[in-house]
Amino acid sequence: EPEVTQTPSHQVTQMGQEVILRCVPISNHLYFYWYRQILGQKVEFLVSFYNNEISEKSEIFDDQFSVERPDGSNFTLKIRSTKLEDSAMYFCASRPGQSNQPQHFGDGTRLSIL
Amino acid sequence: RKEVEQDPGPFNVPEGATVAFNCTYSNSASQSFFWYRQDCRKEPKLLMSVYSSGNEDGRFTAQLNRASQYISLLIRDSKLSDSATYLCVVSTPTYKYIFGTGTRLKVLA
Repeated sequence: EPEVTQTPSHQVTQMGQEVILRCVPISNHLYFYWYRQILGQKVEFLVSFYNNEISEKSEIFDDQFSVERPDGSNFTLKIRSTKLEDSAMYFCASRPGQSNQPQHFGDGTRLSIL
Repeated sequence: RKEVEQDPGPFNVPEGATVAFNCTYSNSASQSFFWYRQDCRKEPKLLMSVYSSGNEDGRFTAQLNRASQYISLLIRDSKLSDSATYLCVVSTPTYKYIFGTGTRLKVLA
């Protein structure tokens, strides 16, 4: 069964550094998402992406965050200047074009900011 | 009122028991409804979509009541492997997901 893949599985970074989290969505999917989950808390929406542009973003997704689909397969989340509170699991998800189809999640990147 | 509200549990039940989880949501314009399962420090995995007519998948039955903005999940004949956190997920009119905090289930031998 096709799956969403994410790399790296764990990223440790010094505060203030830039990080790029990578995702390869399922190949025929059209909609892409990033979510985060701080330890012990619920999963929170960050951003959705369709047709090479952001469809919607949350309040969390401020100017420090950006997303890109640099080629036909990768979907990246960049955090420009990381803060301690960015430490979380980051999940990428994708879904097909049909509106009621569920999203499929990657196994996440654990980001630890020191 | 929280956008998606669940009882956090934990629910500790013996093997073979039937357990029910409930969820309420606040946005009447919500489009789609799902139950996902999350194991500790893992990604959410789709358990089942939820429809107004109710749907069943083996030991799992899900139900949606749009009038009451209420979603349920019933697990029959619980197995040890059912131990996980069950996430109620609501899709907004723009198809982003709103997650509940999850309900923890522990099935005891």
